[in-house]
Amino acid sequence: DAKTTQPNSMESNEEEPVHLPCNHSTISGTDYIHWYRQLPSQGPEYVIHGLTSNVNNRMASLAIAEDRKSSTLILHRATLRDAAVYYCILLISSNTGKLIFGQGTTLQVKP
Amino acid sequence: DAGVIQSPRHEVTEMGQEVTLRCKPISGHDYLFWYRQTMMRGLELLIYFNNNVPIDDSGMPEDRFSAKMPNASFSTLKIQPSEPRDSAVYFCASRKTGQGRAEAFFGQGTRLTVV
Repeated sequence: DAKTTQPNSMESNEEEPVHLPCNHSTISGTDYIHWYRQLPSQGPEYVIHGLTSNVNNRMASLAIAEDRKSSTLILHRATLRDAAVYYCILLISSNTGKLIFGQGTTLQVKP
Repeated sequence: DAGVIQSPRHEVTEMGQEVTLRCKPISGHDYLFWYRQTMMRGLELLIYFNNNVPIDDSGMPEDRFSAKMPNASFSTLKIQPSEPRDSAVYFCASRKTGQGRAEAFFGQGTRLTVV
């Protein structure tokens, strides 16, 4: 399974933007980049995904490097409710869509 | 839709007992996944189904674990006999075919404690 690398933890101040990086140097051309997050005591929830172009939705933005070997999840204004573990996952096109979770990045948001 | 529904939310059982965890996926979703989460190992994929057929069970830890999906709206994960090291949160998730485009939806999980 293709591997992603994320920092173990990050801190942010409330109301400030947060950039969560992810490296995926072994990505292949048809692999999608997915981001999920897990709030305390809850199941993971989908945040955003992309293939080649940058993507925006109501929760976040996803910036994908031109060579696709890395991506960044952007929370434009962090709130206390954004404190969670954020997972960057490659959805491998050849394996019928199973999501393999790494250790993720634990985001702390300070008031 | 009510989302992915798991039951029970909490289960406490004694070592050696049989435990059955249940999952109702979102209607219309054709993939169903079972995950286990512990502090030590994080989120592990145990098994997943497509159209009620098990596709990959390589993550099932041992023969004490079994999973079934008798129809499109119900799946079970059974542990027999249970052991203290099986204590974890078990998540069920479902998604619809769409390859890289489809998001997965997770249930709230079942917290299993084996004493």
